[in-house]
Amino acid sequence: QITLKESGPTLVKSTETLTLTCTFSGFSLTTSAVAVGWIRQPPGEALEWLALIYWNGDKYYSPSLKSRLTITKDISKNQVVLTMTNMDPVDTATYYCGHSGDCGGATCNYFDYWGQGTLVTVSS
Amino acid sequence: EIVMTQSPATLSVSPGERATLSCRTSHSLTNSYLVWYQQKPGQAPRLLIYGASARATGVPARFSGSGSGTEFTLTISSLQSDDFAVYYCQQYNDWPLTFGQGTRLEIK
Repeated sequence: QITLKESGPTLVKSTETLTLTCTFSGFSLTTSAVAVGWIRQPPGEALEWLALIYWNGDKYYSPSLKSRLTITKDISKNQVVLTMTNMDPVDTATYYCGHSGDCGGATCNYFDYWGQGTLVTVSS
Repeated sequence: EIVMTQSPATLSVSPGERATLSCRTSHSLTNSYLVWYQQKPGQAPRLLIYGASARATGVPARFSGSGSGTEFTLTISSLQSDDFAVYYCQQYNDWPLTFGQGTRLEIK
């Protein structure tokens, strides 16, 4: 059974750096073609993909946020960490992590399992 | 970047009727690399359809996906009360991964 759970601060201040942790179980990020990604959703708005890290360490970022994002993995802890620098009130959103599995030997690049999400509010 | 355009923004349908949701992409998706998610208030999205037309595990048969190229459709054949939610499409054909703005399916 695959599960993911996001953790981190619920409130950050403008210009601060946000660090979110996704702790997962039921799969290994050493398995070929597996990936974990981050997606966010401002209140009442649509989903926005942020970043994805593959089992082999390859990383992909949203071009509009690339300069502010870093995604890393800790295999020993079954965790994926996202850092976002220079937070602004417009970054207020629910942040989700998601599992992307194997689609015939390649990473699917969509999310078949999601965490419950964590709401992060940025104060000015 | 592939832009995803969903229509309509809101769809009002009576229980038992059919709902048809549209997702249009700015560039053609090779291999129909498109998924549909369902999201209910306060919940994470749930994968419904992948590869434009394949149902994810546990998804009822009343949900079906179709389309290719730049035009995709999610059809719910006979709406149940549990189906009223927001639906998003996402393409995984190219980087960056992009989502549509969503269609809110509401009870008429």
